[in-house]
Amino acid sequence: DAGVIQSPRHEVTEMGQEVTLRCKPISGHNSLFWYRQTMMRGLELLIYFNNNVPIDDSGMPEDRFSAKMPNASFSTLKIQPSEPRDSAVYFCASSLKLTADLGNQPQHFGDGTRLSIL
Amino acid sequence: SQQGEEDPQALSIQEGENATMNCSYKTSINNLQWYRQNSGRGLVHLILIRSNEREKHSGRLRVTLDTSKKSSSLLITASRAADTASYFCATDGAGGTSYGKLTFGQGTILTVHP
Repeated sequence: DAGVIQSPRHEVTEMGQEVTLRCKPISGHNSLFWYRQTMMRGLELLIYFNNNVPIDDSGMPEDRFSAKMPNASFSTLKIQPSEPRDSAVYFCASSLKLTADLGNQPQHFGDGTRLSIL
Repeated sequence: SQQGEEDPQALSIQEGENATMNCSYKTSINNLQWYRQNSGRGLVHLILIRSNEREKHSGRLRVTLDTSKKSSSLLITASRAADTASYFCATDGAGGTSYGKLTFGQGTILTVHP
């Protein structure tokens, strides 16, 4: 079975450019998460969706970051304009929808996009 | 501060030895999960333990949970070089603003020498 697919795997661009990261979750999963990982701050949750609806975007660093999920099989994370401090590995993860009795489900991660802003 | 904090930050052992990693957290939880991350790859889910469980096994993995101490441990028995990776605990935080989220610790870097 295909796992979570992220593209591109690597992105190098200059400061000020727009960056778009893409994610295809596992079919049948209802929840999708975007994380950022750096040595200094570890793994940070940026935003998550349930049934394509953004539930919590409190982790989005600032207005330069935006995320969309137009349908159940696709999501994007956009940075515009990009800055050097945005350099990190960005992960997308998906899971079955959490429920009141079971709580959070195991998350399945893609292999990430390594972003470098020069 | 992080909801989950792993200890030690790094662990180096010989193949065949057991590896124990600990995780402490601050608030009530529904469940606690352990993940592994190999270099350059995404996190892989290992095991989930619910707040009403005290111990869980999966192959060479053994996880314990002590909700009174707000701590968990991951034991890898008979370690192999392929177990070399970073290991993270993640907690969900029962109710409130943490609902739906997982908060990851900083991880333990495990190195298993052949």
